[in-house]
Amino acid sequence: DAKTTQPTSMDCAEGRAANLPCNHSTISGNEYVYWYRQIHSQGPQYIIHGLKNNETNEMASLIITEDRKSSTLILPHATLRDTAVYYCIVRRMDSSYKLIFGSGTRLLVRP
Amino acid sequence: SAVISQKPSRDICQRGTSLTIQCQVDSQVTMMFWYRQQPGQSLTLIATANQGSEATYESGFVIDKFPISRPNLTFSTLTVSNMSPEDSSIYLCSVGQGAVGYTFGSGTRLTVV
Repeated sequence: DAKTTQPTSMDCAEGRAANLPCNHSTISGNEYVYWYRQIHSQGPQYIIHGLKNNETNEMASLIITEDRKSSTLILPHATLRDTAVYYCIVRRMDSSYKLIFGSGTRLLVRP
Repeated sequence: SAVISQKPSRDICQRGTSLTIQCQVDSQVTMMFWYRQQPGQSLTLIATANQGSEATYESGFVIDKFPISRPNLTFSTLTVSNMSPEDSSIYLCSVGQGAVGYTFGSGTRLTVV
């Protein structure tokens, strides 16, 4: 599995964009970048995933560099409810492949 | 996406006893997974539960301590056996769903006293 590196913690002001970086320099061609988050006392929640193109959904945007060695999750207008631990995970698309969590980034959104 | 019901949501157990956690999915899924999350830590995969065959355990986890059943494509159980305070954790089940990744249950918060 390709490994990921994320900052331990970050903070941003409510209403501002939150940009969460992730390094995955050993990613292989058939591996996708997935982002999940875990709000306190809940199970992890899927946010977004991508292979090499930038992706956007109702929750966030995912920017993947051209060499695919790093990516950034963008929450365009962070709210207090976005305070959570965010996990960047690299995995194959095959649904039988297990999902391995790293330590993640603890994002604190300040009022 | 699939909806997962996990029971119990929390429990307090005496050391030396066992607890069985149930995971029910509202649709048939091939793969189900069990995770442990110790206090303040990230999630650690315990095992992959395959229907019709024995579960596949990750390094550091053994069947005698964490027996798993998977009788059909919508249900699985994880038993935490001969519990000690070190087993106090949140236990989560998850299902793989192809393109949208994994869906997680809300977890079982276990305290061993």
